[in-house]
Amino acid sequence: KQEVTQIPAALSVPEGENLVLNCSFTDSAIYNLQWFRQDPGKGLTSLLLIQSSQREQTSGRLNASLDKSSGRSTLYIAASQPGDSATYLCAVRPRGNNRLAFGKGNQVVVIP
Amino acid sequence: GAGVSQSPSNKVTEKGKDVELRCDPISGHTALYWYRQRLGQGLEFLIYFQGNSAPDKSGLPSDRFSAERTGESVSTLTIQRTQQEDSAVYLCASSRGRKIETQYFGPGTRLLVL
Repeated sequence: KQEVTQIPAALSVPEGENLVLNCSFTDSAIYNLQWFRQDPGKGLTSLLLIQSSQREQTSGRLNASLDKSSGRSTLYIAASQPGDSATYLCAVRPRGNNRLAFGKGNQVVVIP
Repeated sequence: GAGVSQSPSNKVTEKGKDVELRCDPISGHTALYWYRQRLGQGLEFLIYFQGNSAPDKSGLPSDRFSAERTGESVSTLTIQRTQQEDSAVYLCASSRGRKIETQYFGPGTRLLVL
């Protein structure tokens, strides 16, 4: 069974600092890995999707890397802003499986 | 519509009552998923529909839970004889059906069972 772990569970950073969020998964047989953002009381917004053959994806201030062999992904958010405050969820799509396996999230607060 | 929509947005019910939750996927998306997010927990997969294929029901927690989807349109998730542990946010997602595709999520239905 695929297990997804996100560390740290919660963190606070001052505005302008770079954010580093870590995700690890136990089974490297995946189709892809996806990072989502969830705001309180809201659904999930997809941020980046990395296919299993890719090493990283970038969108604006966001960069996500994937090391499939070691079962790790890192989400970098450059020059954090208060609007980046949210919970960030990592999910993998295992091979041979229709479901996404989610971590419990990194809860981020960016302090103005 | 532009995105996945769900209704109701909030539902409060009494223990033992049945509830029905609705999901409207993005037009043209053949795949539809239901997930559950309980307080302090990660998202749990419930059920997956792909076109006219038999659904993958392997995530449903008990026989009180069922879901239907007509073709590639609306889906309903029904919980019979609700229990307090059913209280959660129920999220629906859709995608174009290929395993490499992004899943797009709706805003969720917040269910509270008293």
